[in-house]
Amino acid sequence: DAGVIQSPRHEVTEMGQEVTLRCKPISGHDYLFWYRQTMMRGLELLIYFNNNVPIDDSGMPEDRFSAKMPNASFSTLKIQPSEPRDSAVYFCASSPTGLVQPQHFGDGTRLSIL
Amino acid sequence: GQNIDQPTEMTATEGAIVQINCTYQTSGFNGLFWYQQHAGEAPTFLSYNVLDGLEEKGRFSSFLSRSKGYSYLLLKELQMKDSASYLCAVRDQTGANNLFFGTGTRLTVIP
Repeated sequence: DAGVIQSPRHEVTEMGQEVTLRCKPISGHDYLFWYRQTMMRGLELLIYFNNNVPIDDSGMPEDRFSAKMPNASFSTLKIQPSEPRDSAVYFCASSPTGLVQPQHFGDGTRLSIL
Repeated sequence: GQNIDQPTEMTATEGAIVQINCTYQTSGFNGLFWYQQHAGEAPTFLSYNVLDGLEEKGRFSSFLSRSKGYSYLLLKELQMKDSASYLCAVRDQTGANNLFFGTGTRLTVIP
């Protein structure tokens, strides 16, 4: 079975540029999560969707960040304009509905903003 | 608010037993998860507790005490491949599947 697929795996870009991260959740999972991981702050939830609808975006750091889920098999996280402090590993995860259902993580996108 | 505490680093010897503790203070509680994360890789699910007590899964066990806001992950017969970060995560009471993660415990297994 295919897991959560993220692209790109690595992204290096200059500050001020727009960055778009992509995620394909596991088929049949109706929850999708975007996380950011840094050494200092660990794994932080940015936003999550249920049935393609954003439920909680309180973790999005500021207006430079936006996320969309146009259909059940695709989501994007966009940063515009990017800043060096956005450098981190960004993970996408998905899960089905259910109390015992764990989240399944993609391999992440390692983002470096110069 | 959510507050989840774990030791930052631990070292243990191959073949031994190690216990990784996690304490939490959250606005609600609807389950606690443990994840394993090898360096440069994604977190992978290890265990889930929602009721008090011990859940055993092979070499790994996880314990929960809701009244104390406390959990631990027990790893037996340590192997070198167990060197990884172990993340404690709490799901809040809304019933949604969002998790609040601790910063993780980096375990190093030495020969």
